[in-house]
Amino acid sequence: QVQLVESGGGVVQPGRSLRLSCAASGFTLSSNAMQWVRQAPGKGLEWVAVISKDGSSKHYADSVKGRFTISRDNSQNTLFLQMNSLRVEDTAVYYCARDRYESTGTFFDCWGQGTLVTVSS
Amino acid sequence: DIVMTQSPDSLAVSLGERATINCKSSQSVLYSSNKKNYLAWYQQKPGQPPKLVISWASTRESGVPDRFSGSGSGTDFTLTISSLQAEDVAVYYCQQFYTTPRITFGQGTRLEIK
Repeated sequence: QVQLVESGGGVVQPGRSLRLSCAASGFTLSSNAMQWVRQAPGKGLEWVAVISKDGSSKHYADSVKGRFTISRDNSQNTLFLQMNSLRVEDTAVYYCARDRYESTGTFFDCWGQGTLVTVSS
Repeated sequence: DIVMTQSPDSLAVSLGERATINCKSSQSVLYSSNKKNYLAWYQQKPGQPPKLVISWASTRESGVPDRFSGSGSGTDFTLTISSLQAEDVAVYYCQQFYTTPRITFGQGTRLEIK
């Protein structure tokens, strides 16, 4: 059974950092590009970042570029999102999602349950 | 970035009736070399993550009931539920991946029972 489980969310003050993890099971992580998508409370979906299957290519939304870093450890079947210089507007549920293909950026055929990040003083 | 605009923002349909959700892109998402439309549809039920229902504008995902169908090409797309069931209550999002890796979603359409 294909499964993604996020962890690492919580309440953090503006300007601080947080690292999210996404553990994959039921499939070989190294076969697919992986994505982070977020959803602010009561709002729609916003793409955050994507990483290619081997980690050689990474791309970010303008809203997080220079502050967030996506990475992966295929040997541990885990995806990460390092979030620095957090802002109040980063408050959201963060989902990791599996891209259907190995290249960076198509559509997402498996999603985790999400982890809530709240940025507040 | 391509802007995806869905209409309506919310929709109430009676059980057993047809539900139609529209999605318009600010530029074409039809790739001329392969004649494929780079568009997907997702269903998000309350308290759950999104679920992929349609890819390539009209390809229904495995396990998705055949009452769901996608159509359209270029800049105008439609998700149709032919006979609304109670379990179809959700927010539906379209997503373009033409400008991969920078993908964008529509704002969502809330579907309810009348």
